[in-house]
Amino acid sequence: GNSVTQMEGPVTLSEEAFLTINCTYTATGYPSLFWYVQYPGEGLQLLLKATKADDKGSNKGFEATYRKETTSFHLEKGSVQVSDSAVYFCALRKNEKLTFGTGTRLTIIP
Amino acid sequence: GAGVSQSPSNKVTEKGKDVELRCDPISGHTALYWYRQSLGQGLEFLIYFQGNSAPDKSGLPSDRFSAERTGGSVSTLTIQRTQQEDSAVYLCASSLAGTGYGKLFFGSGTQLSVL
Repeated sequence: GNSVTQMEGPVTLSEEAFLTINCTYTATGYPSLFWYVQYPGEGLQLLLKATKADDKGSNKGFEATYRKETTSFHLEKGSVQVSDSAVYFCALRKNEKLTFGTGTRLTIIP
Repeated sequence: GAGVSQSPSNKVTEKGKDVELRCDPISGHTALYWYRQSLGQGLEFLIYFQGNSAPDKSGLPSDRFSAERTGGSVSTLTIQRTQQEDSAVYLCASSLAGTGYGKLFFGSGTQLSVL
């Protein structure tokens, strides 16, 4: 079946540090890939997406590239801010359903 | 309101009781999803409604779980004879047709605690 494996947290970084949150997937065919974010006290919301191999999704300074050869969709940001503290979920879409990873809690220290 | 609304936000119940969780999707969204988020777990898919099609119930963990969607809008998730392992946050999401290009709009969830 389809599955998503993402980096276990929690992750704690200092402000302006470089961020990588790893995500790999298992799926038949060519799923679409997503990163969702849950800020404290808020509902999950879409951060970025990529629908085919080699696509790069980007939003709010975050980027992720759909790598078919390594079945990965790692989330990166060059310089994190305190406001990026949240839980990040990697997800794939196949047959109208989104399958989510377990989430990675990110805390940024000033 | 503009977003997905879920009620109640918190529910504490005794083992063996039935509970009903409600979801009001965004107006005009034809797709509605229920997910469950347990501590340390990802979001577990439960059920998916799309328009007038038969729902995809493949994620419901047991026959104690059921859901309906009336008039293509409001949805109710019912858990009968609750067990302690049912304790979790139940999330509802809606989107435009199908998975709306993956952009699901989530509610804030119902925190269910079974004592």
